[in-house]
Amino acid sequence: DGGITQSPKYLFRKEGQNVTLSCEQNLNHDAMYWYRQDPGQGLRLIYYSQIVNDFQKGDIAEGYSVSREKKESFPLTVTSAQKNPTAFYLCASTHTGGRVIQYFGAGTRLSVL
Amino acid sequence: ILNVEQSPQSLHVQEGDSTNFTCSFPSSNFYALHWYRWETAKSPEALFVMTLNGDEKKKGRISATLNTKEGYSYLYIKGSQPEDSATYLCAFREGAGNQFYFGTGTSLTVIP
Repeated sequence: DGGITQSPKYLFRKEGQNVTLSCEQNLNHDAMYWYRQDPGQGLRLIYYSQIVNDFQKGDIAEGYSVSREKKESFPLTVTSAQKNPTAFYLCASTHTGGRVIQYFGAGTRLSVL
Repeated sequence: ILNVEQSPQSLHVQEGDSTNFTCSFPSSNFYALHWYRWETAKSPEALFVMTLNGDEKKKGRISATLNTKEGYSYLYIKGSQPEDSATYLCAFREGAGNQFYFGTGTSLTVIP
């Protein structure tokens, strides 16, 4: 079955630690996205990538980094510079252009120990 | 940052009731408006993609309308069922960009 796989489902970060959230898709989609959800807020864009080896900052990129070395993969690193990382993180992907539909993974919940 | 608003924030209805909720978005530089359903412990799923002013879409008991000139979309659910309980998200796309701007969602609970 085609889809988007996010791992792990739950992640705990210690103070000063970098952690990486995995996102893999087998939909052959060009564009991939990372969103953050906090209670009472909508999904906010962290980073997105429209092609391999290229990505753009979203509205809340500070404290995060990404890479897009393969079309299928778009890992998100939450760095120690992100002072409030506790949130639910969703990865999504689409084709580019036209009446695109975003497909989502099941999410990763990150908490700070 | 574009402002996309949804109302109400949450809604409780009895099984069989019909209900509707609103998504408001900027009326300039419109490209598309998306509706998603997000059930607890699952991934958000696309319901509709709407691109033309006056668009009406329907999927079973769920339908949506679009007014791009005044910047709003309505989602209607006829004869709500417990399985309709979910958070309904709308997302606005401007220009021809690939960036989606999400509202905060409307949480619907259908009471059997």
